[in-house]
Amino acid sequence: DTAVSQTPKYLVTQMGNDKSIKCEQNLGHDTMYWYKQDSKKFLKIMFSYNNKELIINETVPNRFSPKSPDKAHLNLHINSLELGDSAVYFCASSPRLAGARETQYFGPGTRLLVL
Amino acid sequence: AQSVTQPDIHITVSEGASLELRCNYSYGATPYLFWYVQSPGQGLQLLLKYFSGDTLVQGIKGFEAEFKRSQSSFNLRKPSVHWSDAAEYFCAVGLSNFGNEKLTFGTGTRLTIIP
Repeated sequence: DTAVSQTPKYLVTQMGNDKSIKCEQNLGHDTMYWYKQDSKKFLKIMFSYNNKELIINETVPNRFSPKSPDKAHLNLHINSLELGDSAVYFCASSPRLAGARETQYFGPGTRLLVL
Repeated sequence: AQSVTQPDIHITVSEGASLELRCNYSYGATPYLFWYVQSPGQGLQLLLKYFSGDTLVQGIKGFEAEFKRSQSSFNLRKPSVHWSDAAEYFCAVGLSNFGNEKLTFGTGTRLTIIP
């Protein structure tokens, strides 16, 4: 059973399009995250949610809008895609809000390529 | 602001040889420290973590790490590497201010294993 799953695994799209990435965790965790990993493998947090409530928004452009319909799901919608959005996006979850201390469980990633 | 430095971008070792990956952090208080591993095309998996107590921590897959406060380091070691250890390794520091619980990752060290 996959603990943290993401769809799609690959996403190739044109500049200016709008796309969504979905994430689901079946671990019963309260907290979920979105990370962006750039071409140099640098991994940076974008958002965190705890029980559907936004906790962290790391100065991400407002073209990125996360949505958490329930605590098991955290989706990421991106408007007006730009070339610089090309990256691998990872979803993660942790049991509680204390993300600094908790083990985070990562999904397999979504590889986004904007042409 | 907290930061994490992994001085080695790429390390190559022979199968069966010992391994040490370096990690230095900058943080005012006692940090929460983690090592994660990312296999090719996969998400990140926790190897081990340190919060307090014994400064030598054991992790999965035969890895260990030692916290040295005087050197602000948390180096990862393995006495004998296996070909399956080839991956990207990330050191991370946890920031624990209420409302801003997050991990800051280093830039990663890519490990190549040669026969």
